[in-house]
Amino acid sequence: AQTVTQSQPEMSVQEAETVTLSCTYDTSESDYYLFWYKQPPSRQMILVIRQEAYKQQNATENRFSVNFQKAAKSFSLKISDSQLGDAAMYFCAYRSADAGGTSYGKLTFGQGTILTVHP
Amino acid sequence: SAVISQKPSRDICQRGTSLTIQCQVDSQVTMMFWYRQQPGQSLTLIATANQGSEATYESGFVIDKFPISRPNLTFSTLTVSNMSPEDSSIYLCSVESGFPSGNTIYFGEGSWLTVV
Repeated sequence: AQTVTQSQPEMSVQEAETVTLSCTYDTSESDYYLFWYKQPPSRQMILVIRQEAYKQQNATENRFSVNFQKAAKSFSLKISDSQLGDAAMYFCAYRSADAGGTSYGKLTFGQGTILTVHP
Repeated sequence: SAVISQKPSRDICQRGTSLTIQCQVDSQVTMMFWYRQQPGQSLTLIATANQGSEATYESGFVIDKFPISRPNLTFSTLTVSNMSPEDSSIYLCSVESGFPSGNTIYFGEGSWLTVV
């Protein structure tokens, strides 16, 4: 079974600064997807960024980028030019790409990191 | 991305009663999932609901407690039966969307249930 670990229960950053959230995972699979989701106080889960394991290039979405280290099974999220609206709980998640496997489609989540943004 | 609507968004329920949560998607999707998020916790998968077949439940979740219906490719319901305070959670519906980013999972707004 896959596991996802977020070792930072809480992080804080000054507005306009950069912050990195850590995520490690454990899997025996070679093909999979990794995601970062944001959960603001409204509790809605919002997709931030997505990475396919077979792609070496790190995904970027505007101010959000990842550092994907497949061999190290590490998937960190970097938020640049932090804004007050970035304050939320952030979840790292793993999804198997094996369409024939019993885990296909299911997301395994980390414990979450609460991000506070100071003005 | 898929647009997912959940009802109710929030409810206060009496102990011993049952509540059905509805999930409506604006496009046809094959795979739908139901997650639970207990207070201060991460998300845990309850079951996978595919149209035309019985829902597949994860360890620790049973059909008698969480019956699920999936009558078509755009709709599903989750019932939380015989509720106790331990069932106070956010319940989230999610779907796989193949366009524009294939194999990505999107979530509804969640249904926040408080059992008293």
